[in-house]
Amino acid sequence: QQPVQSPQAVILREGEDAVINCSSSKALYSVHWYRQKHGEAPVFLMILLKGGEQKGHDKISASFNEKKQQSSLYLTASQLSYSGTYFCGTYTNAGKSTFGDGTTLTVKP
Amino acid sequence: DAGVIQSPRHEVTEMGQEVTLRCKPISGHDYLFWYRQTMMRGLELLIYFNNNVPIDDSGMPEDRFSAKMPNASFSTLKIQPSEPRDSAVYFCASSLWGPTNEKLFFGSGTQLSVL
Repeated sequence: QQPVQSPQAVILREGEDAVINCSSSKALYSVHWYRQKHGEAPVFLMILLKGGEQKGHDKISASFNEKKQQSSLYLTASQLSYSGTYFCGTYTNAGKSTFGDGTTLTVKP
Repeated sequence: DAGVIQSPRHEVTEMGQEVTLRCKPISGHDYLFWYRQTMMRGLELLIYFNNNVPIDDSGMPEDRFSAKMPNASFSTLKIQPSEPRDSAVYFCASSLWGPTNEKLFFGSGTQLSVL
């Protein structure tokens, strides 16, 4: 069963912040985040392993709440280059992987 | 490194024809994955290999689909016979270690249109 992402779409102005959520009904081992621009391949952003860690690079960070089986991606001071569709990929303890339906982020000048 | 290389980039074929998609993973990566992406079903894992051996093919939709990895630097995904509902973007990806804790490197994808 695939994870549920919310919101489905978000529109921002440059400099604004956004949060994208990913929720699973299954016990998770890890959560991966990818960004895909139109007509291109998904590009890796970060992995979070169970243990409730929070990771980040530049102005994009993420957290993983193992108890709630939820992960959130935080984009701060958004830039035009952040536009794209963000996918979370979840991996269960049984090794099964699925991707969410994606969240489309549009950053406007 | 050139990254994951897929061919062809675009494929247009008629229903009933055989289609073969090709992938060259990043050198040294032990894992290779085939994904399919559609608007309706999103990004789906079809099959993945570890050291050229298929590990999980539970995502392969039907017997019309088959995948092989004859060596560490080449894999194929074959659809025979093809149907219009197979139209999608097919991505190949590779990773250094297992999928649970290692990032995937995706190829540019093959846009398949079955008429």
